[in-house]
Order: sequence, then structure tokens, then C-alpha cells
Amino acid sequence: GAVVSQHPSRVICKSGTSVKIECRSLDFQATTMFWYRQFPKQSLMLMATSNEGSKATYEQGVEKDKFLINHASLTLSTLTVTSAHPEDSSFYICSASPSGGADEQFFGPGTRLTVL
Amino acid sequence: DAKTTQPTSMDCAEGRAANLPCNHSTISGNEYVYWYRQIHSQGPQYIIHGLKNNETNEMASLIITEDRKSSTLILPHATLRDTAVYYCIVRVGGGNQGGKLIFGQGTELSVKP
Repeated sequence: GAVVSQHPSRVICKSGTSVKIECRSLDFQATTMFWYRQFPKQSLMLMATSNEGSKATYEQGVEKDKFLINHASLTLSTLTVTSAHPEDSSFYICSASPSGGADEQFFGPGTRLTVL
Repeated sequence: DAKTTQPTSMDCAEGRAANLPCNHSTISGNEYVYWYRQIHSQGPQYIIHGLKNNETNEMASLIITEDRKSSTLILPHATLRDTAVYYCIVRVGGGNQGGKLIFGQGTELSVKP
């Protein structure tokens, strides 16, 4: 099946710093990628839809200036958490759908962010 | 996208069939039913999806009622590795139409020896 990777798998940073998370589709091209956030004991919450070559579409309540998304190629999307604070500590997960109309979304393994 | 309702948790004996129900009474004609599962601290895994016909693959079977207001995911022979949170999601269109998946709270399935 299609594989999506994320890097890093785990990151610890100091409050006020910025953290970049990469999402790659390893064996397929993805016009669209999605970013989710998951707090402990809660479900996944969609943050934004990332479209290759255009601006991301953010869900209501998600600050676009804080969570910067770049989708520069058909296999890579990045999420940058700017000026991170402890309340940004969470599990960040990306997903991608193969270009050309495939029905499934494939998810990455997630990135655990801890802000001290 | 239509809302889904699932039981919070279920238990199943190892080797037995696990039947996970989902209600989606407000589903529209162009919305598909998708099932994903998430094992602790991992990304969700796609299981199966369907529009109105029953579907089967190597992982599971999906039974959709004739009025499409509910469905059941069946794991025919549950193993301990099937312990996970199972999410039933309805989504517009196949392919990338609409695209986004909105996750509810899911059903926490515990498979016991």
C-alpha cells in the first residue's frame, strides 16, 4: 500500500521556538495533503488542507500565522509551528491522497511535539 | 458532511467476529462510508469504504443497510492486534472530491484473550 512518512517522529523544544514537521508521500504523488492534531484521549482534529502549489485552507479556529503550511512539491508538505507554547504540545498527523482520484487517504505515523 | 454515532467502547473475544455498528442517519446520496482504525500512538489506518453495496477486503467486511442510515464493520476473526479505536466517517464523493475526513470519537475495541 501507499506509504506516508513524517519527520521527526518526536521533538522536544523550548517555548518560543519554531518547529518544522515534514510529511512525505514515499511511493505516490499527492496533490492534496491534510494536517491533523490529536490531544491525549481525544480524536483527530483536522487543522488544514494543503494543496500543492497554492495556499493551504485552514479549518475554523486554526491560526494560519501560527501553523504555517507549505506544499512545494507533489510528495512533500511541511507544517511549521511558530513560537511554540506548551499548549501546542500534541500529536501531529498528516495524510495524503494519491493524485488521480484514489478514494483512500493514507496517514503518516505522526509526530509527537512537546513544548517545554 | 453527515455526522456519525458509534458506541464508545466494545469488547470482543479473540477469534470471534467483531461487529462494530455506526449510525449515519443524515447521510446524503453522494456520501461514502469510510472506516479507519488507530492503534495507540500511531497514525490511522484505512480499513474499507463503500457507498451502498456491501464491501469485503482482506481486512474486513462492510455491511450498509438498504436505507444507508447505518452500517456495520465486521472483523471476521478478531486478534489481539485488532485492539484499536475504530472510526466511522462519511465523506462526500470518491476520489479527492471534498477530500477531508472529519473524525468523531470512534469506538474503542478491546480484543481479549
